[in-house]
Amino acid sequence: EDQVTQSPEALRLQEGESSSLNCSYTVSGLRGLFWYRQDPGKGPEFLFTLYSAGEEKEKERLKATLTKKESFLHITAPKPEDSATYLCAVQAGGYSTLTFGKGTMLLVSP
Amino acid sequence: DSGVTQTPKHLITATGQRVTLRCSPRSGDLSVYWYQQSLDQGLQFLIQYYNGEERAKGNILERFSAQQFPDLHSELNLSSLELGDSALYFCASTGDLTNYGYTFGSGTRLTVV
Repeated sequence: EDQVTQSPEALRLQEGESSSLNCSYTVSGLRGLFWYRQDPGKGPEFLFTLYSAGEEKEKERLKATLTKKESFLHITAPKPEDSATYLCAVQAGGYSTLTFGKGTMLLVSP
Repeated sequence: DSGVTQTPKHLITATGQRVTLRCSPRSGDLSVYWYQQSLDQGLQFLIQYYNGEERAKGNILERFSAQQFPDLHSELNLSSLELGDSALYFCASTGDLTNYGYTFGSGTRLTVV
């Protein structure tokens, strides 16, 4: 069974204080690892897809990396508007369904 | 607006009742996915339809059923509702999963009292 574990469950940062979120996974035949951002009361919003170990993708203050067992979402000099829950998901085998982790709730204080 | 429309946004109903949640996918997307999100379980996959046919099933209870119609909108039917069914229900659609992932709707918040 595919498993996705995210840590920490919650993270509080000061504005400008960089940090990383972790997503570790156990799947048979990883086809893609996805990062989403979810604001309260809204649907998840797509951020990145990573496919192979060593791959990196960036968007503004966010950078996602992938190894064979985990992915990191690095947040550089975060701002209060980066506060949200960040979800990690995996696509495995020949399926298009995604298995999600429980997310990391990020709060950035001014 | 993501392009995926879900109605209603909020639903309050009593135990034992039946409700129907509706989803219109983004224009051109053939696949529709239903997910349930609760505080303790996170996002759980329920069921997928592709162009009117059931394609994959997840942890969907027998009391729940879904269908996708010829115009590609989908409905999720929840019956004999229990308190534990209270959750956010999301619909997502995808055209190019590789590059754009799923596009989620804004969800239906179901409260069973």
